[in-house]
Amino acid sequence: QITLKESGPTLVKPTQTLTLTCTFSGFSLSTSGVGVGWIRQPPGKALEWLALIYWDDDKYYSPSLKSRLTITKDTSKNQVVLTMTNMDPVDTATYYCAHLKVSNWFDPWGQGTLVTVSS
Amino acid sequence: EIVMTQSPATLSVSPGERATLSCRASQSVSSNLAWYQQKPGQAPRLLIYGASTRATGIPARFSGSGSGTEFTLTISSLQSEDFAVYYCQHYNNWPLTFGGGTKVEIK
Repeated sequence: QITLKESGPTLVKPTQTLTLTCTFSGFSLSTSGVGVGWIRQPPGKALEWLALIYWDDDKYYSPSLKSRLTITKDTSKNQVVLTMTNMDPVDTATYYCAHLKVSNWFDPWGQGTLVTVSS
Repeated sequence: EIVMTQSPATLSVSPGERATLSCRASQSVSSNLAWYQQKPGQAPRLLIYGASTRATGIPARFSGSGSGTEFTLTISSLQSEDFAVYYCQHYNNWPLTFGGGTKVEIK
């Protein structure tokens, strides 16, 4: 059974850097074709894909946020870390990590973590 | 960037009735389209991938169709647990994008 769980601060101040960790079980990020993605959802709004990392360390980012995002993996710890710099109140959202294999649909998803950006 | 447009924004349906949700891509995504269901306070759940293949454990009342730029998610007979928001997502190229969602509510 594949499970993922996001962790990180619930409140960050504007201009700060957000660091989120996705800890997973039931799969290995060293297995060919496997990846982990990050998606966010502002309150009451739609889903937005942010970043994705593959088993071979290939990485992809949303063009609109690419300059602010970094995604890394620690295969030995079964973790994927997303950092987002220069946080702004508009970045307030629930942040999800999700598993993918071979093709880029997400299944399953973590429970999500709400991050509020406020001074 | 491919823009995914879902319609309608809200669909009011009575239990037992059929629901038809639409998703349009601004350019062809072939069959590289997924559908997700999201209930309040929960993470999205994969329903359909490859435009028409049901994910593991998804009831047969959910079906997907279409290719290119026009896609449809059909729920043949709505059950109480199906009232939720539904999102489409293309994975044809980068960046991955989601539609704005369709809320299926009780009529």
